[in-house]
Amino acid sequence: DAGVIQSPRHEVTEMGQEVTLRCKPISGHNSLFWYRQTMMRGLELLIYFNNNVPIDDSGMPEDRFSAKMPNASFSTLKIQPSEPRDSAVYFCASSLADGLGAQHFGDGTRLSIL
Amino acid sequence: KQEVTQIPAALSVPEGENLVLNCSFTDSAIYNLQWFRQDPGKGLTSLLLIQSSQREQTSGRLNASLDKSSGRSTLYIAASQPGDSATYLCAVDYGGSQGNLIFGKGTKLSVKP
Repeated sequence: DAGVIQSPRHEVTEMGQEVTLRCKPISGHNSLFWYRQTMMRGLELLIYFNNNVPIDDSGMPEDRFSAKMPNASFSTLKIQPSEPRDSAVYFCASSLADGLGAQHFGDGTRLSIL
Repeated sequence: KQEVTQIPAALSVPEGENLVLNCSFTDSAIYNLQWFRQDPGKGLTSLLLIQSSQREQTSGRLNASLDKSSGRSTLYIAASQPGDSATYLCAVDYGGSQGNLIFGKGTKLSVKP
């Protein structure tokens, strides 16, 4: 079975540009999570969805960040405008929303803002 | 504030040793606790999930224990191998829907052949 698929794997762009990260969760999973990982802060939850509905976006750092889940098989995380401090690895994960199953992670997008 | 702490931050052992990784959490009102493994350049892979009503879980050479009252969990790795080299993260679920996982910063394990 295919795991969580994220694209692109790497993104290098200049400050001020719009960045869109994409995620395809595991088929049948109804919870989707976006995380950011840095050396300083570790792994932080940005936002999560249940059945395509955003449940908690309190981890989204600023209004420059937005996330959507238009259907059960696709989600995007957008940063506009991007800043150098947004440089990090962004992970998407999915799970069944029963609190019993483990989260399955994608391989992440390594984002560098110059 | 809910915090998850992992000590040590890094650990190096010779192949074949049994070892224990530690995780502590400040709030004992947890739903479950998970141990993950992260290889360089990769995402996290779930190793073991312990529900709050359980004391331990086992998978192969791995055994995870949970003591809610003391706010501690351990991951025991038996007969370590070089392939076990990775960063191990502990995560505590406070929300019940996995929407409130609090992660530790991990222990980077190196198993020397």
